[in-house]
Amino acid sequence: QKEVEQNSGPLSVPEGAIASLNCTYSDRGSQSFFWYRQYSGKSPELIMSIYSNGDKEDGRFTAQLNKASQYVSLLIRDSQPSDSATYLCAGTRAGNEKLTFGTGTRLTIIP
Amino acid sequence: DADVTQTPRNRITKTGKRIMLECSQTKGHDRMYWYRQDPGLGLRLIYYSFDVKDINKGEISDGYSVSRQAQAKFSLSLESAIPNQTALYFCATSENGANYGYTFGSGTRLTVV
Repeated sequence: QKEVEQNSGPLSVPEGAIASLNCTYSDRGSQSFFWYRQYSGKSPELIMSIYSNGDKEDGRFTAQLNKASQYVSLLIRDSQPSDSATYLCAGTRAGNEKLTFGTGTRLTIIP
Repeated sequence: DADVTQTPRNRITKTGKRIMLECSQTKGHDRMYWYRQDPGLGLRLIYYSFDVKDINKGEISDGYSVSRQAQAKFSLSLESAIPNQTALYFCATSENGANYGYTFGSGTRLTVV
């Protein structure tokens, strides 16, 4: 079992709709979680971090964390074509020095 | 200028050749990392360093070596390149551990023929 798992997609969402990206993790000691956006051939860009159970909102992005279910999600409201990218979920234990990444979900926003 | 700079951006090399990928950063971060990215396999950690005197192997260090020449510089070497080392390589830095996430360099696309 991979430590961080994501559905590879592709996930297609109409423009203006909500895109929902999901991630599960196996290490119950994981404390901090991150969502990165990666355009094709480019480097990953940090878009959200979440450390506590519940929701965290930043503009059109909402990250959700449920430690009991070992589940992290990213919601993108009012999806735009520029949101088309691969989204990487990553986690780490408290005090750990390295992130473990999922394989990414490819998201396509359909105009 | 970018905070984390990788050179070269693209490289094609022959099997058996030695090649070095370089990473430098202006963020003042102590932690530096090398990852490779392959389709379907995601980002996998090769080596990481907490400071000049501290080097640690990641999950896929075989066939690679690193050098931390200064706080700002972390180089990855392939002593004898092989085709399955063809991948996109990323350097990353972090402040105070991974709990604040990473800043990535722009990547090096390496092809071994």
